[in-house]
Amino acid sequence: GAGVSQSPSNKVTEKGKDVELRCDPISGHTALYWYRQSLGQGLEFLIYFQGNSAPDKSGLPSDRFSAERTGGSVSTLTIQRTQQEDSAVYLCASSPPPGTSGGAMNEQFFGPGTRLTVL
Amino acid sequence: DAKTTQPTSMDCAEGRAANLPCNHSTISGNEYVYWYRQIHSQGPQYIIHGLKNNETNEMASLIITEDRKSSTLILPHATLRDTAVYYCIVRPGSNYKLTFGKGTLLTVNP
Repeated sequence: GAGVSQSPSNKVTEKGKDVELRCDPISGHTALYWYRQSLGQGLEFLIYFQGNSAPDKSGLPSDRFSAERTGGSVSTLTIQRTQQEDSAVYLCASSPPPGTSGGAMNEQFFGPGTRLTVL
Repeated sequence: DAKTTQPTSMDCAEGRAANLPCNHSTISGNEYVYWYRQIHSQGPQYIIHGLKNNETNEMASLIITEDRKSSTLILPHATLRDTAVYYCIVRPGSNYKLTFGKGTLLTVNP
């Protein structure tokens, strides 16, 4: 079946511009996560959605970052007034409801990521 | 989340077993051990997880010590496509973020 998809795959923007990154989770997955991976760095958690609500936003680095999820499906990560240090690969993951067959307990399925470059 | 310690890098010959260690001495009773890997330029991929019993699936085996303070991921017959960064993560077995460390870069050599 279809996996997690993200768009765009690559985004180049100028410092100060706003960007929107999109994540389409696997159908039926109730949990959705955003991470980012800067060059040479590990993966950093940003935000977690359960349905349309975000019980954990602790990883968002500043108030320039926001995310929403609508209809329990698609999520958008928005970065306002981008800075060069925002350059990274932004990864989205989703996981099925606990106890769902075909998946390990809360296994997270990752998309291919969006590579953001801020000039 | 409990902190994990892994070697920075390891090498393995193609066709041989790859044994990747992980120390998690501060693991809590409700925390599971998860392994993910990240092949270059791809998103992370789930491999296996366990609580206290050893586990095996089509990809790998997970051996957890009796005191749960360390574990070993075993790829029984490594191939060149197994070259990746392998992450050992401990977290509660509920919907929860993954906290990635530096992982182990496994290089499978022909």
